[in-house]
Amino acid sequence: NAGVMQNPRHLVRRRGQEARLRCSPMKGHSHVYWYRQLPEEGLKFMVYLQKENIIDESGMPKERFSAEFPKEGPSILRIQQVVRGDSAAYFCASSVRQAAYEQYFGPGTRLTVT
Amino acid sequence: GENVEQHPSTLSVQEGDSAVIKCTYSDSASNYFPWYKQELGKGPQLIIDIRSNVGEKKDQRIAVTLNKTAKHFSLHITETQPEDSAVYFCAASEETSGSRLTFGEGTQLTVNP
Repeated sequence: NAGVMQNPRHLVRRRGQEARLRCSPMKGHSHVYWYRQLPEEGLKFMVYLQKENIIDESGMPKERFSAEFPKEGPSILRIQQVVRGDSAAYFCASSVRQAAYEQYFGPGTRLTVT
Repeated sequence: GENVEQHPSTLSVQEGDSAVIKCTYSDSASNYFPWYKQELGKGPQLIIDIRSNVGEKKDQRIAVTLNKTAKHFSLHITETQPEDSAVYFCAASEETSGSRLTFGEGTQLTVNP
């Protein structure tokens, strides 16, 4: 059983470039959450998606950040015109349904903006 | 919104001793409380969780207790081993928020051999 998969594991971008982070949930899971972890801090919720729907994006910055979870393929977190403050670890978690609560995390993508 | 506080931020114990990490939450509607273990360079791993209709849950060397009245919950690790060394996070969520997790700031546990 494959767990939650994220790629790339490490991503380096220069200021002003775009970053695309991908997440494939566990088999059978249709709910995806994205969290951001700044150095030596806890994880902060960004966005919650189901297939083709954004359910809650209250934790995501209004500008430059967007997320999608298409009918086919992985969930994508997109950061446009990256700045140094975007450097962090971005984690994706999946669950089988909303009310199931248990969320299983992927290994994360560590974004470095130079 | 929910706020979760976690203490201590660092904890050092001798191998074989017990470790206790405590968390408090602010939203009385929260009804699910998981604990995650994060090793360096890896994603958080769910190690135990508890729902609000239960006061205590145990799984081998780890246990979690919940006091809904006081709005706090704790992780207990007995007979600690060096491989228990990691950062531990508590979290809280409630169904109407879409089950998004609000995390504490983490506890760096070091088990000295």
